[in-house]
Amino acid sequence: DQQVKQNSPSLSVQEGRISILNCDYTNSMFDYFLWYKKYPAEGPTFLISISSIKDKNEDGRFTVFLNKSAKHLSLHIVPSQPGDSAVYFCAASEGVSGNTPLVFGKGTRLSVIA
Amino acid sequence: GAVVSQHPSRVICKSGTSVKIECRSLDFQATTMFWYRQFPKQSLMLMATSNEGSKATYEQGVEKDKFLINHASLTLSTLTVTSAHPEDSSFYICSARLQGLNTEAFFGQGTRLTVV
Repeated sequence: DQQVKQNSPSLSVQEGRISILNCDYTNSMFDYFLWYKKYPAEGPTFLISISSIKDKNEDGRFTVFLNKSAKHLSLHIVPSQPGDSAVYFCAASEGVSGNTPLVFGKGTRLSVIA
Repeated sequence: GAVVSQHPSRVICKSGTSVKIECRSLDFQATTMFWYRQFPKQSLMLMATSNEGSKATYEQGVEKDKFLINHASLTLSTLTVTSAHPEDSSFYICSARLQGLNTEAFFGQGTRLTVV
C-alpha cells in the first residue's frame, strides 16, 4: 500500500510556463515533506521541503504548497527551464528526528520543451 | 551542503559472488543511514535502516542474510549483497539525514549492480 502517491508518471511543459507536480499521501502522521530531483544513474538531489505547520514554502523558482486536510502537496516551478527536465520525487517523513527514513512516491518525469 | 559518497558507482559481478557497496558521510556524522533500492521506472524502496553500533532494521520482505549491512562507524555504512543473482540487479542508493528538526536527506550517487 503506497503511502505517498504521484499519480502522473509524466508531464510535458513548454519552456517559460509553469510546471505543477502533484503528490498525495495517506499517512496522517507524516509531518515533513520534501521534493527531490533525480537524473538517471544518480542519487536524488534535494530541492525544497515543507513542514506540516506551513502551507507554503518558496525558494526561487520553486514553491511547494501543502494542503493537510486534503493530504496533498504540489511543487510549482516557474518559469520552467529545459534544465528542469528530470524525474521529480515527492517524499514524506514521520517524526522530526533525523533517524526516520523518507518514504517516496514513484516519481513524475518532467520534460520541459524549448 | 552535507555530502554522502557512495562507492562503487557501477559494478558487474558473476552470479554467486558477493558485492560490497560503501556509503560515507563526508562532512557530518550519521548515526543512522538508509539503504534504498530502485527498479526501473519505480520508486525508491527502503530496504533497511543502518544503525551505528547496532543491528540494522530491515523492511518487510528484505532478506537480512542476503543483504548484509554493517555500520561500524559514524561515517561509514556498507551493504553487502551476498550470493548475488541476476534478480538482484538494481540501482542501490544510500542516504543519511542530519540530526535535528526536519532535516533533509542527502543521497549518495547510487550503485548500479548488474549480476551476470
